[in-house]
Amino acid sequence: SAVISQKPSRDICQRGTSLTIQCQVDSQVTMMFWYRQQPGQSLTLIATANQGSEATYESGFVIDKFPISRPNLTFSTLTVSNMSPEDSSIYLCSVLQGFDEAFFGQGTRLTVV
Amino acid sequence: TQLLEQSPQFLSIQEGENLTVYCNSSSVFSSLQWYRQEPGEGPVLLVTVVTGGEVKKLKRLTFQFGDARKDSSLHITAAQPGDTGLYLCAGGDYKLSFGAGTTVTVRA
Repeated sequence: SAVISQKPSRDICQRGTSLTIQCQVDSQVTMMFWYRQQPGQSLTLIATANQGSEATYESGFVIDKFPISRPNLTFSTLTVSNMSPEDSSIYLCSVLQGFDEAFFGQGTRLTVV
Repeated sequence: TQLLEQSPQFLSIQEGENLTVYCNSSSVFSSLQWYRQEPGEGPVLLVTVVTGGEVKKLKRLTFQFGDARKDSSLHITAAQPGDTGLYLCAGGDYKLSFGAGTTVTVRA
């Protein structure tokens, strides 16, 4: 199983600012996934990040709001831009073992005030 | 997108009682996974079921995959406070779909 380190674990940010979340994996992986989760609720996929190409965004998520970098096979960042209180959520990065078993970082709890 | 419906949404039981969580879909899945998430942590994979009719046991947890591979259940026997958490089912290839989750609270 992959070990994923995600940081920061939590942050409180002012509206209008941006926050970059980092995700480091202990092994090389082709795809990394970024999710958003409201506390106590399910996960919504934001985008899939492949090394060497632009991220693929899900419906309702755009690159200008959630730019993603994937500089190598073990690292990715997600930026939440121009934040508003509606962006308050838990953000999770994930990788797959095989094609269906997901491993997650511990999450970033973001509060926008 | 393949939709997964979980029920119930919330479960609160006394220590020692049994509970069952359900995960249903109108779509056929090649496999389904169950995850448990505790506050402040990411979801942790509990099990993957692959074969229709399959039953897997993990200590006091029993997982079943429906014959038609459209549904699954998680049964916990003699629940303990350590079983408290958000239980999520998921399915799909590469791009997973997650159920809405079941929040389980086991009272001591």
